[in-house]
Amino acid sequence: RKEVEQDPGPFNVPEGATVAFNCTYSNSASQSFFWYRQDCRKEPKLLMSVYSSGNEDGRFTAQLNRASQYISLLIRDSKLSDSATYLCVVKVGNQFYFGTGTSLTVIP
Amino acid sequence: DAGVIQSPRHEVTEMGQEVTLRCKPISGHDYLFWYRQTMMRGLELLIYFNNNVPIDDSGMPEDRFSAKMPNASFSTLKIQPSEPRDSAVYFCASRDPAPTGGAGIGYNEQFFGPGTRLTVL
Repeated sequence: RKEVEQDPGPFNVPEGATVAFNCTYSNSASQSFFWYRQDCRKEPKLLMSVYSSGNEDGRFTAQLNRASQYISLLIRDSKLSDSATYLCVVKVGNQFYFGTGTSLTVIP
Repeated sequence: DAGVIQSPRHEVTEMGQEVTLRCKPISGHDYLFWYRQTMMRGLELLIYFNNNVPIDDSGMPEDRFSAKMPNASFSTLKIQPSEPRDSAVYFCASRDPAPTGGAGIGYNEQFFGPGTRLTVL
């Protein structure tokens, strides 16, 4: 079983829409959680960390449910520039486990 | 700082040839990670170093792969001999030792290099 599982999508949404991605992880000893963003043919970059109490950064909201072992990312008022692949990342010890990513395309 | 530097950015080689990928981490970062990314398998950790010492190489696919970190500012990933199934994007990442968020946990953001796109014919 993979450490981190994500729906690969693709998600195609109109500008201004709200879209949510979910991710599940298998290791209950996971300590830290992140969402990374990867643009086409570029390297992954940290979008935001995910805190136990949930956290918000502008149009982006991340939530963690430890009991069910899933993480979510909500994007409100989607922009064309949000088009990218979103990677769910889980840290166990010193290792980071990446999901295969969810592809988002925001359509004009 | 210039960020994590990788070279070459693109490599095309023939099956059986030796390939060496290079990485310069961000100065002051204490961990260095090598990843491989393919469409089918996503981003996979191959090996990581802490203070130049290899800690876990369980992700290295087989003996054809080897990695070294002779000093804090340089690491190599070598494939010998290369095979077509090694074609992928190889990323190097280094980790900031300073926690970037959350009390008591130390989230330690990873910074990725631009990657090396390897094609083995």
